[in-house]
Amino acid sequence: QQQVKQSPQSLIVQKGGISIINCAYENTAFDYFPWYQQFPGKGPALLIAIRPDVSEKKEGRFTISFNKSAKQFSLHIMDSQPGDSATYFCAARALNQAGTALIFGKGTTLSVSS
Amino acid sequence: EAGVAQSPRYKIIEKRQSVAFWCNPISGHATLYWYQQILGQGPKLLIQFQNNGVVDDSQLPKDRFSAERLKGVDSTLKIQPAKLEDSAVYLCASSQTLAGPDTQYFGPGTRLTVL
Repeated sequence: QQQVKQSPQSLIVQKGGISIINCAYENTAFDYFPWYQQFPGKGPALLIAIRPDVSEKKEGRFTISFNKSAKQFSLHIMDSQPGDSATYFCAARALNQAGTALIFGKGTTLSVSS
Repeated sequence: EAGVAQSPRYKIIEKRQSVAFWCNPISGHATLYWYQQILGQGPKLLIQFQNNGVVDDSQLPKDRFSAERLKGVDSTLKIQPAKLEDSAVYLCASSQTLAGPDTQYFGPGTRLTVL
């Protein structure tokens, strides 16, 4: 029940295309869903996050779509660029439970070809 | 603002040896986390501190792993003795508070190879 399942494992998108990464969770106590971006040799960095009181959040070319009833959320990268090539992790956390940490998905390696 | 600092960046040891990693969080951040990231997987929490107290160490293999955060600032993670399956990147992260949608800032990690 603590897992966050992420797909696909890898993704190749042409420059200018849309990249879509999906995540699903089981624990209904989760109420904070961030996406992290990780470049080789670097630590993960927060990209965008959403709370379940909204169905969508957009920041620049990055959008999170959230479906509470299906317990799924996804990251959309519009106009994908070669600089977006990285590994993306979805994560979840139960904010109302002190001491609980982020549970990460297994990651999606995105390659944007020029 | 300086980021989370970690050292060393790389470490190669033989199994059954001991190793220690160091982390200096962002100044003023009360909460510090150690994660283990095995190749091809997402980070998995090992331990989290609030100031110098342990909040959660339920996933720390306590027979071989130990961690401390003296004076509520820097932290060290130790493995003794190391096993082959400990080969991973060890990430340190910090955040301002424990509760709320607080951003966790990650360091670059220490890549450990156990031969």
